[in-house]
Amino acid sequence: AQTVTQSQPEMSVQEAETVTLSCTYDTSESDYYLFWYKQPPSRQMILVIRQEAYKQQNATENRFSVNFQKAAKSFSLKISDSQLGDAAMYFCACGSRLTFGEGTQLTVNP
Amino acid sequence: EPEVTQTPSHQVTQMGQEVILRCVPISNHLYFYWYRQILGQKVEFLVSFYNNEISEKSEIFDDQFSVERPDGSNFTLKIRSTKLEDSAMYFCASNFDRDTEAFFGQGTRLTVV
Repeated sequence: AQTVTQSQPEMSVQEAETVTLSCTYDTSESDYYLFWYKQPPSRQMILVIRQEAYKQQNATENRFSVNFQKAAKSFSLKISDSQLGDAAMYFCACGSRLTFGEGTQLTVNP
Repeated sequence: EPEVTQTPSHQVTQMGQEVILRCVPISNHLYFYWYRQILGQKVEFLVSFYNNEISEKSEIFDDQFSVERPDGSNFTLKIRSTKLEDSAMYFCASNFDRDTEAFFGQGTRLTVV
């Protein structure tokens, strides 16, 4: 069984600033993947970034990076140079069947 | 760019009626999924499908739900007798390998009245 917890229902950030979204998880799988998905108001699910648990190096995708702490089962998302288009609901997910967290609604203030 | 396509985008049905939600996964993908998102809540896994059979299902996926891949391109979710609480956005997703990126369709918003 897997569980994913996002403890921040809402976050806000000023445009061009940096924000970090938190996620913790629990899984019985020995090898697994972690994901951050973005859901804008259109409700489309868009993959932001993916981390393979066996890799020590934190994944980076342009302005998006993760801080993966395997022992602590923590997988936070850092958004640098925030843009208005980053405003959305962000979901953390774990495993091959994608167990999702509750989501964090990110607001970007101009 | 290949994409997962879902039809219809919005369906309204009366309680007790059967509905079929349709999905066309990306053509070379092997794993297919259905998820549900009740308004304002998180996305919940319903079922995964591989090699023409269900590989995993959640406790939500009870006897009123079924999935089928009737013709090698479509992947359908049937709800036999809809209830008010089935109102949600239903997402189809597919990937080539279980641990690679799952591509999501744009969703079907089901409203049961």
